[in-house]
Amino acid sequence: RKEVEQDPGPFNVPEGATVAFNCTYSNSASQSFFWYRQDCRKEPKLLMSVYSSGNEDGRFTAQLNRASQYISLLIRDSKLSDSATYLCVVNGGTGGFKTIFGAGTRLFVKA
Amino acid sequence: DADVTQTPRNRITKTGKRIMLECSQTKGHDRMYWYRQDPGLGLRLIYYSFDVKDINKGEISDGYSVSRQAQAKFSLSLESAIPNQTALYFCATSDLWDPSGDEQFFGPGTRLTVL
Repeated sequence: RKEVEQDPGPFNVPEGATVAFNCTYSNSASQSFFWYRQDCRKEPKLLMSVYSSGNEDGRFTAQLNRASQYISLLIRDSKLSDSATYLCVVNGGTGGFKTIFGAGTRLFVKA
Repeated sequence: DADVTQTPRNRITKTGKRIMLECSQTKGHDRMYWYRQDPGLGLRLIYYSFDVKDINKGEISDGYSVSRQAQAKFSLSLESAIPNQTALYFCATSDLWDPSGDEQFFGPGTRLTVL
């Protein structure tokens, strides 16, 4: 089992749709969680951190469920510019430094 | 100017050749990382360095070596390149004192092809 798992997609949605991505992680000692966005052939960039209380940034909402060991990302009112790959990232745990990237979920938003 | 730069951006080489990928940063961060990205596998950590005198192996260090020449510079070497090292390589940095828990800042990547 991978340490961080994401549905690879692709998710094909029309503009204006709401889309949700989930990510599960296996290490219960993980300490911090992020969503990164990666455009085709570009570097990943931080989209948002994920906090236990949940957090929102405009059209984006991230949530963490420690009991079930998953994080989620909700995108409301999708824009064409949201088309990208979304990477789930999990930090921390036992055994020293550990940052694990999920393989990513591909999103296509269509006009 | 970009905060994290990588050279070269693209490289095609032959099996058995020695290759060096370079990374420089102007963010003043102590922590630097090298990752490779392959389709369907996500980013995997090769080496990381928390300061100039600290070098650590990551998940997939075999066949690679690194050098931390200064706080701002972290180089990745492939001593004898092989075709399965064909990948997109990213350098990243992070701030030890980042209160958000270690956001990483990536360079633009180096696309390496080993024939």
